[in-house]
Amino acid sequence: SYEVTQPPSVSVSPGQTASITCSGDKLGHRYTYWYQQKPGQSPVVVIYEDIKRPSGIPDRFSGSNSGNTATLTISGTQAMDEADYYCQAWDSSTSYVFGTGTKVTVL
Amino acid sequence: QVQLQQSGSGLVKPSQTLSLTCAISGDSVSSTSAAWNWIRQSPSRGLEWLGRTYYRSKWNNDYAVSVKSRITINADTSKNHFSLHLNSVTPEDTAIYYCASGVTFFDYWGQGTLVTVSS
Repeated sequence: SYEVTQPPSVSVSPGQTASITCSGDKLGHRYTYWYQQKPGQSPVVVIYEDIKRPSGIPDRFSGSNSGNTATLTISGTQAMDEADYYCQAWDSSTSYVFGTGTKVTVL
Repeated sequence: QVQLQQSGSGLVKPSQTLSLTCAISGDSVSSTSAAWNWIRQSPSRGLEWLGRTYYRSKWNNDYAVSVKSRITINADTSKNHFSLHLNSVTPEDTAIYYCASGVTFFDYWGQGTLVTVSS
């Protein structure tokens, strides 16, 4: 079965850039989606189809996907961005696959 | 704006059936462009997609291999909701269960229901 992996944690200073990676075999051939989850809340999609932002998501969130790695970038990170982030891939054969999650800490 | 409201028991005994319902507002369970999913989250398994139901001239279901022998998801058009039934539960099925809408990703989520499997 298809798997995607993420680093367990990323630390970033306020105002700096956080990069969260999601790795999987030929991941660049599939769309990747990113979710933000704060404690006690349901996940919220912040990036879909690799690079698109839903309405209401700040433009400091951006995404890319190439080769075996997709990346979620948070530019000018704010304290409110502290959360767990999950990537998700989909294809018709493997259905929905979630990454293991990355805890972003804003120090 | 789609809203999903979950209901159902938070405590289930081992070997019994877990049942949850997700009420939809702002869309129709019979929409031919939507899909209605169940996802769970636990410390040991992370986020895990369980299955979905959707209508495309007929009702369709897809289930994760890990639960395929134990799961049923069905829709009730009169109440505009869909339900999850997971039978023969064990403590490994203890998790937060979410309903969510979406075809290739999940754009709206329910509030989550903590389900504990314990005698």
